[in-house]
Amino acid sequence: DTAVSQTPKYLVTQMGNDKSIKCEQNLGHDTMYWYKQDSKKFLKIMFSYNNKELIINETVPNRFSPKSPDKAHLNLHINSLELGDSAVYFCASSQSFSTGTGAYEQYFGPGTRLTVT
Amino acid sequence: GENVEQHPSTLSVQEGDSAVIKCTYSDSASNYFPWYKQELGKGPQLIIDIRSNVGEKKDQRIAVTLNKTAKHFSLHITETQPEDSAVYFCAAPPFSSASKIIFGSGTRLSIRP
Repeated sequence: DTAVSQTPKYLVTQMGNDKSIKCEQNLGHDTMYWYKQDSKKFLKIMFSYNNKELIINETVPNRFSPKSPDKAHLNLHINSLELGDSAVYFCASSQSFSTGTGAYEQYFGPGTRLTVT
Repeated sequence: GENVEQHPSTLSVQEGDSAVIKCTYSDSASNYFPWYKQELGKGPQLIIDIRSNVGEKKDQRIAVTLNKTAKHFSLHITETQPEDSAVYFCAAPPFSSASKIIFGSGTRLSIRP
């Protein structure tokens, strides 16, 4: 009965490689997100998709490319990995937001710990 | 844009005592204020939230208070237990972009036995 799942849980790779992280939610939500959490635990939003449409892109390098094949999936592909990309990446989902009404609870996946050597 | 500041960064309390974590926000139009708990090796999980039309909300041992005039909100945990040890994050979405949540920098709460 997993709500938001991510694969893989751990990813160790060398600089310059390309890697992907997959995310799936079974909550029926329309909005999905990618967050990056650094070693100091800062949580920063990277991307947000609503109904497969990109709505937030937070000054993330072009090496990061999200893809949403359908409302239940949001994948993250990273090209030419750098040491600074090492972090924990969280996928999350929520009901559709509504400007004026306010945001809704976000449900987070277990995270993918990416280590670039 | 929205800026959320959280204090303290670390907090250690004796089991059974109360813990208070405070946050301030900058966007006066923000209207939703959640608190998330992150246990070791897991993703953040919502523990309580409050909307701007109320000043306080309680759920068993946890409560959140909101002061819209001062633009700050606080998390109160009473009768702390070992399982309360975790990192706690406050958050607020900018009114102009409710799909985006700005998180505070987190508070690592430790409960001493």
